[in-house]
Amino acid sequence: TQLLEQSPQFLSIQEGENLTVYCNSSSVFSSLQWYRQEPGEGPVLLVTVVTGGEVKKLKRLTFQFGDARKDSSLHITAAQPGDTGLYLCAGKGALTGGGNKLTFGTGTQLKVEL
Amino acid sequence: EPEVTQTPSHQVTQMGQEVILRCVPISNHLYFYWYRQILGQKVEFLVSFYNNEISEKSEIFDDQFSVERPDGSNFTLKIRSTKLEDSAMYFCASRGRRANYGYTFGSGTRLTVV
Repeated sequence: TQLLEQSPQFLSIQEGENLTVYCNSSSVFSSLQWYRQEPGEGPVLLVTVVTGGEVKKLKRLTFQFGDARKDSSLHITAAQPGDTGLYLCAGKGALTGGGNKLTFGTGTQLKVEL
Repeated sequence: EPEVTQTPSHQVTQMGQEVILRCVPISNHLYFYWYRQILGQKVEFLVSFYNNEISEKSEIFDDQFSVERPDGSNFTLKIRSTKLEDSAMYFCASRGRRANYGYTFGSGTRLTVV
């Protein structure tokens, strides 16, 4: 069974602060995706990272895939209240037989206060 | 932007009853999925469907569950005899041909078994 552990589980910060969310696994994934989920809604894709060591930027969000493709991080610069939500990492195609399904992480609930 | 549409948004059913959850994936997508999320827990894979057959399923997807794509547009999940522990948000997702395309999730159906 592939597991993706996210840390921290909860994060409450002030507007303007920077933060990093981590996603770690003992499994190697062919790609890793980050989603954001609002209450009562489905996950919405933010980014897909494929290559070990890859860094992608989406405005104030920076995503990195670990060299060994087992871990990833999401860094938010100058957080805003609109960034509040549940952030999920999801690995695809684990080499240990995960096929094409997504294995979701445990989630990080972010709250950005004024 | 194309959407995955799920109906109903909320369904309450009595234990032992059959339920059918419906999804309309994005029209040119080829891969279809069902995931579920029990309240407060992580998103879990149920089943993937490609080329009119199940390509992968999880341990959760037992004989009580079935999927169909009856008419080339709808994608349904049937639970034959619901149990209390089937209460969850059920998400349908679809993706395009390329392996590293992100998944588009629907807004989910909240199933409550009483």
